[in-house]
Amino acid sequence: DIQMTQSPSTLSASVGDRVSITCRASQSIDNWLAWYQQKPGEAPKLLIQKASTLESGVPSRFSGSGSGTEFTLTISSLQPDDIATYHCQHYNNYPITFGQGTRLEIK
Amino acid sequence: EVQLVESGGDLVQPGGSLRLSCAASGVTFHNYAMLWVRQAPGKGLEWVSSINGGGDSTYYADSVKGRFTISRDNSKNTLYLQMNSLRAEDTAIYHCAKSDCGSIGCKLIAYWGRGTLVTVSS
Repeated sequence: DIQMTQSPSTLSASVGDRVSITCRASQSIDNWLAWYQQKPGEAPKLLIQKASTLESGVPSRFSGSGSGTEFTLTISSLQPDDIATYHCQHYNNYPITFGQGTRLEIK
Repeated sequence: EVQLVESGGDLVQPGGSLRLSCAASGVTFHNYAMLWVRQAPGKGLEWVSSINGGGDSTYYADSVKGRFTISRDNSKNTLYLQMNSLRAEDTAIYHCAKSDCGSIGCKLIAYWGRGTLVTVSS
């Protein structure tokens, strides 16, 4: 099984900051990586697929990069609405696995 | 607008059974593979099972294989998860999820439901 390791587990930043979350795969997954945003009490929402393709309606301050085993989700200017837990997921093969999540807080 | 609404979560004793349902609307249901993903309290997301659009191909996580059965009724736009021999470690919110295409190889999750809580405890 492919293990996904996300870091950090918690991130505290100020409004306007540039923030980055990293996701590492235990073996190459090409670009078969997705990022999801989950606000408290809500369903997760797909933000980015194929490592860097932004979903329609997602603000352009979000971006994804990477391929192979190392991936990054970046928010260029943190907004209060971005407070959430972010999850990475590989979909290279079965079993699908997720990172453990990164909780993003406002300082 | 796509809507996925789960139901059937409950408190059940270890060894018991439960059937979850997920009603889909706003989507041509039979065109899409569907998944169940769970989240234990304070833990990350864990994929449980997938089924293709036609309902004749399935995959399971090793942790539930032989105990859980995924199925769908395309005439009712409904996804199911039959859970038997439940254990304490199955306690979680169970999310219904829709993929972005129809075959069993479609593993990207395009939409999620809010989930239904299953608690396994004596």
